[in-house]
Amino acid sequence: SQKIEQNSEALNIQEGKTATLTCNYTNYSPAYLQWYRQDPGRGPVFLLLIRENEKEKRKERLKVTFDTTLKQSLFHITASQPADSATYLCALDDGSSNTGKLIFGQGTTLQVKP
Amino acid sequence: EPEVTQTPSHQVTQMGQEVILRCVPISNHLYFYWYRQILGQKVEFLVSFYNNEISEKSEIFDDQFSVERPDGSNFTLKIRSTKLEDSAMYFCASSGQGVNQPQHFGDGTRLSIL
Repeated sequence: SQKIEQNSEALNIQEGKTATLTCNYTNYSPAYLQWYRQDPGRGPVFLLLIRENEKEKRKERLKVTFDTTLKQSLFHITASQPADSATYLCALDDGSSNTGKLIFGQGTTLQVKP
Repeated sequence: EPEVTQTPSHQVTQMGQEVILRCVPISNHLYFYWYRQILGQKVEFLVSFYNNEISEKSEIFDDQFSVERPDGSNFTLKIRSTKLEDSAMYFCASSGQGVNQPQHFGDGTRLSIL
């Protein structure tokens, strides 16, 4: 069956450290993968998109990697701040429909302590 | 920065009643989507819409659901006869010139069916 899995347990880290979040998928062949941030009661906010032919993408303190062999994406926040506390969602296309449909993981909640 | 707006922010409706959720996507975007998120669960795809027609719909999007772009700016989701299990956050999203683009989400309408 097709699955997207993110760490369901909350990730607690100290301010200034690097947070690393994992997204694993099975039985998909996505053309791209996206990461979103979601705060309580709000809609997802786009952070980064990485395509299947890209290994790594960076934006300011954010970095995402995409390994299509391992079927895994890692999302890093360096020099983390309490304001980074939120739920982070990975989302991918199913690789076949080409309609923009996104399939989301359940999200990992990050708590950055001062 | 342009944003997707959704109204109302909260809708309370009796079971069996019709409800219309409204969205104003970003003005130059061409692709439109509805997703829903039941409390504590994943964001789930409902429907994608391009060039005035549905390009894909999920199993959730049955005959009770419909979408419309009645003018150049609004995008609506109608549920004809609501059920208790329709209670969820409904998010509208839009993306620009291609399907492999970031999606911009509104802050959702919280639909409560009594």
